[in-house]
Amino acid sequence: RKEVEQDPGPFNVPEGATVAFNCTYSNSASQSFFWYRQDCRKEPKLLMSVYSSGNEDGRFTAQLNRASQYISLLIRDSKLSDSATYLCVVFGSRRGYIPTFGRGTSLIVHP
Amino acid sequence: DAGVIQSPRHEVTEMGQEVTLRCKPISGHNSLFWYRQTMMRGLELLIYFNNNVPIDDSGMPEDRFSAKMPNASFSTLKIQPSEPRDSAVYFCASSSGELPALHFGNGTRLTVT
Repeated sequence: RKEVEQDPGPFNVPEGATVAFNCTYSNSASQSFFWYRQDCRKEPKLLMSVYSSGNEDGRFTAQLNRASQYISLLIRDSKLSDSATYLCVVFGSRRGYIPTFGRGTSLIVHP
Repeated sequence: DAGVIQSPRHEVTEMGQEVTLRCKPISGHNSLFWYRQTMMRGLELLIYFNNNVPIDDSGMPEDRFSAKMPNASFSTLKIQPSEPRDSAVYFCASSSGELPALHFGNGTRLTVT
């Protein structure tokens, strides 16, 4: 089993739709979790942190489920500008407090 | 805040040549990471420095790759000799102890012909 796994997609959704991505991790001792966004030919940029209690930033909601070892990202009212690749990052998935990235999930929002 | 600065942005070289990639982390950040990104393998961690000391280099593909961090504001990743399979985007990222989220540079797009 890979340390961090994501469905590569692409998720193809119309504007205004709600879409959700999951990311599973293998090490139950993993400590910190983040979602990053990467636009084509650009660097990854931090989107939001993920907490057990869940956190919301505008149209984006991130959730952590430690029992099932996954994190999720929910995007409501999708915009064309949300089209990107979304990467989950897990700290502590292997030895040391080292970040491991998932392969990313591609989102395409169409008119 | 200037962010993480990488140079060059693009590098095209011939097989067998030496390639040096450079990175200036965000001032005050004590952790520095070198990643390689390809379509096939995604983002792979090559090496991780903490307080200028290499902590984990298990991701360095082979002896042709080496990385140094002589001080808190500068790091290099060197490939010698380069091979076509080294073609990828190389990212440098830095973080601080209090806020572990990584901040990435713009990357260096390396093409080895």
